[in-house]
Amino acid sequence: KAGVTQTPRYLIKTRGQQVTLSCSPISGHRSVSWYQQTPGQGLQFLFEYFSETQRNKGNFPGRFSGRQFSNSRSEMNVSTLELGDSALYLCASSPDLQALSSYEQYFGPGTRLTVT
Amino acid sequence: AQSVTQPDIHITVSEGASLELRCNYSYGATPYLFWYVQSPGQGLQLLLKYFSGDTLVQGIKGFEAEFKRSQSSFNLRKPSVHWSDAAEYFCAVGALYAGGTSYGKLTFGQGTILTVHP
Repeated sequence: KAGVTQTPRYLIKTRGQQVTLSCSPISGHRSVSWYQQTPGQGLQFLFEYFSETQRNKGNFPGRFSGRQFSNSRSEMNVSTLELGDSALYLCASSPDLQALSSYEQYFGPGTRLTVT
Repeated sequence: AQSVTQPDIHITVSEGASLELRCNYSYGATPYLFWYVQSPGQGLQLLLKYFSGDTLVQGIKGFEAEFKRSQSSFNLRKPSVHWSDAAEYFCAVGALYAGGTSYGKLTFGQGTILTVHP
């Protein structure tokens, strides 16, 4: 099976702009989680989607949003970019065949976002 | 508050030596435990997982981990390290709470960077 894919891999944006990142999960996986990774804060949970519904959300401002499509592909959007949004954004998919398997996550390579 | 602690920020070992990376967690619910590895500029690769049952779990690349509930620990071990094991290692915890409010959320430790000397 193909792994989790994320596009684009690298992105440079200017403060105030908005950005959309895309994630295609492993075939058959229905849950998609997003994380932000920075040197200072480490890996932090953004949100999780299942069957086009957000089931869980981390402690990030409303500028961070996401959605999931009927084919389980997911996008996340960051509006009004700030310098502190520069990070590696990681998407992970899980089969979620039962509740606890939403934690068995397989990660994509990430999107490196640089805000200037 | 839920937390995961990896006490060692950086560990250096010689190739062929044994390895143990420490992980301690603080959780109110029954934890589901994971170890991931990340090479520079890459995503995270799942090494092994613990949900229940046998407290010694085997993973990929010759790694194993032992869950010790009494010590709230889930340490990662490898008997003989290879130069290709040099990377950053993350311990992660998920916990299922009533109401499903924790779905899909892993809490990660700060990571341990492993350097392997030839």
